[in-house]
Amino acid sequence: GEQVEQRPPHLSVREGDSAFIICTYTDSATAYFYWYKQEPGAGLQLLMSVFSNVDRKEEQGLTVLLNKKDKRLSLNLTAAHPGDSAVYFCAVSGGNYKYVFGAGTRLKVIA
Amino acid sequence: DAGVTQTPRHEVAEKGQTIILKCEPVSGHNDLFWYRQTKIQGLELLSYFRSKSLMEDGGAFKDRFKAEMLNSSFSTLKIQPTEPKDSAVYLCASSRLGGDTLYFGAGTRLSVL
Repeated sequence: GEQVEQRPPHLSVREGDSAFIICTYTDSATAYFYWYKQEPGAGLQLLMSVFSNVDRKEEQGLTVLLNKKDKRLSLNLTAAHPGDSAVYFCAVSGGNYKYVFGAGTRLKVIA
Repeated sequence: DAGVTQTPRHEVAEKGQTIILKCEPVSGHNDLFWYRQTKIQGLELLSYFRSKSLMEDGGAFKDRFKAEMLNSSFSTLKIQPTEPKDSAVYLCASSRLGGDTLYFGAGTRLSVL
C-alpha cells in the first residue's frame, strides 16, 4: 500500500527565515494532497490542499509544490514567526477513504 | 459552520474500565473517521463510516474498540475494557466524501492508569 515518508522530523529556524518540509509517497495513483498543522492539545488544522493537476499553490506565506514525477510534496513557510511553531503533517489520498499521513515535522521558530 | 466537536477533551480511566468518547461531525459531511494518535505509531485509523454505515473497523482494533454512528450527526467510540496501552489522543474527523478534505476535532486525550 501507499507509504509516505516525511522529513525532517525536527526543524528549528529563526524568526523571519523559511522552513521547508518534504514528503515523498509511493503510489502514482495518489490524487489528493494535504498539509495539516497541529498545535499542542489541538487536532489537525488544514493548511492547504492540492489536487494532482496542480504543481504549485501559494496562500498566505505558504507554498506547496507537487512533483508527481518524483512523487514529492513539499511545504515552504516563508518568513516564519513563533506562532508557526507546531507539528506539521502531510497527508495523501487516492480519492477513497484511505488517507496516509506522514510522521510529522516538529517545527520550532526561535524569536 | 461548526467544526468537528469531540467530548470529553480529557479522560482518565482505570485499567479495565469502559469509556465512551463522543464526536459530532461537520454538518452535512457523509464520512466520519476515528483515529488514534501516538508519538510512536502516528495516526492509526480505527473506524470509518460512510453515511452512517461502518465501512472499516480498523482490523487490529476490533476486539476492544467499537465505534457506532446512530445518526448522521453523532458518533461514539467505546473502549472496553481499557488497558494502559490505550493511552493516546483519539481524533475524530469528517469529510464530505472519501478523499475529500478531512476536518479534525480537537481530540480526546485518554490516560489509562
